[in-house]
Amino acid sequence: AQSVAQPEDQVNVAEGNPLTVKCTYSVSGNPYLFWYVQYPNRGLQFLLKYITGDNLVKGSYGFEAEFNKSQTSFHLKKPSALVSDSALYFCAVRPFSGGYNKLIFGAGTRLAVHP
Amino acid sequence: DTGVSQNPRHKITKRGQNVTFRCDPISEHNRLYWYRQTLGQGPEFLTYFQNEAQLEKSRLLSDRFSAERPKGSFSTLEIQRTEQGDSAMYLCASTLTVDGYTFGSGTRLTVV
Repeated sequence: AQSVAQPEDQVNVAEGNPLTVKCTYSVSGNPYLFWYVQYPNRGLQFLLKYITGDNLVKGSYGFEAEFNKSQTSFHLKKPSALVSDSALYFCAVRPFSGGYNKLIFGAGTRLAVHP
Repeated sequence: DTGVSQNPRHKITKRGQNVTFRCDPISEHNRLYWYRQTLGQGPEFLTYFQNEAQLEKSRLLSDRFSAERPKGSFSTLEIQRTEQGDSAMYLCASTLTVDGYTFGSGTRLTVV
């Protein structure tokens, strides 16, 4: 079955420290990978995507993610966290074949950045 | 406004009532999706339209749920005989390409 796993329900980090939010996936073929952020009572905001090419992808608000095919991972990173980064983060995958381009989401990771 | 618009933002309804939500996608986007997000979970796919054709429906979409996209523009999602388990955030997304999904702010449904 195709799935996305975000193994951490919550990640706590001090402001100014680097952060990592983990994501692994299980799909057939070469997937498209996405990260979205959600603030309270809001929809999803796009952060970044990996389609093909360089394994390190840079996105909005200083976030980046590294695609690792052998480990089937797509971890989200930021060199220096801000309190305003505190939110719910979702990793998503679009399987390469079938499913009319729908996205499969992980359960989400809540990021808490402390002053 | 060039984003995806969803109305209403919040809906409280009594169990057994029917509700309808509306999504206005980005105008040039021909693909439209509905997702449902329950507390503590990621969004789950409900249904997909390409233009006015509904091409895929999830098993999550019971017979009480129906979605339409007349003329390939806005879309509506109707839930008949609502149940408490229907309480969730209903998200709409649109895209023109396979890698450009834009989500609306969602409609939060509470069934009491």
